[in-house]
Amino acid sequence: DAGVIQSPRHEVTEMGQEVTLRCKPISGHDYLFWYRQTMMRGLELLIYFNNNVPIDDSGMPEDRFSAKMPNASFSTLKIQPSEPRDSAVYFCASSKWLAGVRQDEQYFGPGTRLTVT
Amino acid sequence: AQTVTQSQPEMSVQEAETVTLSCTYDTSESNYYLFWYKQPPSRQMILVIRQEAYKQQNATENRFSVNFQKAAKSFSLKISDSQLGDTAMYFCAFGSGNTGKLIFGQGTTLQVKP
Repeated sequence: DAGVIQSPRHEVTEMGQEVTLRCKPISGHDYLFWYRQTMMRGLELLIYFNNNVPIDDSGMPEDRFSAKMPNASFSTLKIQPSEPRDSAVYFCASSKWLAGVRQDEQYFGPGTRLTVT
Repeated sequence: AQTVTQSQPEMSVQEAETVTLSCTYDTSESNYYLFWYKQPPSRQMILVIRQEAYKQQNATENRFSVNFQKAAKSFSLKISDSQLGDTAMYFCAFGSGNTGKLIFGQGTTLQVKP
């Protein structure tokens, strides 16, 4: 498998513009996570999906952020309008829940480095 | 709410020596998992080792091992025979067995010196 795929790898945009980050999870994984990494706040969970349904979006910073998962192989994280403080590395991760006591680890994509000027 | 604390922002070790990274966590859950992830300069997050809370035996993966003290809620990572390629930021993470969410510590930057 190719692993978790994210695009673009780098994004530079001006304040006020819309930004869309994309993620393709590993085939067969039923959980998908979006994280944001900054120096100040570390690695934060923004939202996660189970079987394409958003389960917990309590980490989404504000209404400017939205995420969708229209099918099992694709998810987007959108920021509209973008602000300089949104500059960060955004990771997508996926995992496969194993029934019972075992949880499979999360596999991370390479991340998207977003710079908002 | 769960919290994960890594009290060592930065550490260094000489090549071939052993180093231990500390991690403590707080939770009221009984079903959980603990992980160490490595993030090299390439920024790719790589799983180093995993420990199920219900297992008493400490996990080991080649040069990497953990010291899991459940009562003390401590989960340290030992790297033996350190290599230059081990230079990275290391994150301790708590995984909820109920929700599947991971909570990460702030990370420890490890530099292996030749």
